[in-house]
Amino acid sequence: QQPVQSPQAVILREGEDAVINCSSSKALYSVHWYRQKHGEAPVFLMILLKGGEQKGHDKISASFNEKKQQSSLYLTASQLSYSGTYFCGVNGGSQGNLIFGKGTKLSVKP
Amino acid sequence: DGGITQSPKYLFRKEGQNVTLSCEQNLNHDAMYWYRQDPGQGLRLIYYSQIVNDFQKGDIAEGYSVSREKKESFPLTVTSAQKNPTAFYLCATSVGARSEAFFGQGTRLTVV
Repeated sequence: QQPVQSPQAVILREGEDAVINCSSSKALYSVHWYRQKHGEAPVFLMILLKGGEQKGHDKISASFNEKKQQSSLYLTASQLSYSGTYFCGVNGGSQGNLIFGKGTKLSVKP
Repeated sequence: DGGITQSPKYLFRKEGQNVTLSCEQNLNHDAMYWYRQDPGQGLRLIYYSQIVNDFQKGDIAEGYSVSREKKESFPLTVTSAQKNPTAFYLCATSVGARSEAFFGQGTRLTVV
């Protein structure tokens, strides 16, 4: 089952903040966040692991609530380059598959 | 250069024909994945493989087949049984569940 992302779309002005949420109905081993520009491959932003470990870019922050099976991506002081579609991916186990949500389209305006 | 190569970038086929999409990697990653992307649907998992000679069905495997005879290669065949094959197909690899996935540039398949 695909994780559920919210909101589906968001429009920001440069400098504004945004939060994108990801919720799963299953217990999670890891949560991944990616950004995709139109016609391009998704690019890795952040991975959050069961137990608290995180790996990712310095300017991106995210949280992972293991009990609630939820993750949130925090985008602060947005720039035009932040525009794109953000996907969360979830992995249910060490040998499991990686399932993505439907995405959140973020548009940053000048 | 290290990376994932998907070929071709654009592919056109007639309805009823099987077609094979290539995915090659030189990252020495064990796990490989195939996703299908349609507008508004996100990335949907077709097949994945954690090790050579083994693969598992994803959520939308019907009408597709794969093989994993070599660590570097994970080709996807879109068969005539796939009712609506026109889509953007992405291949990805990872070291494992505790590491990020790396994506190829994708193949856009159009069936006419």
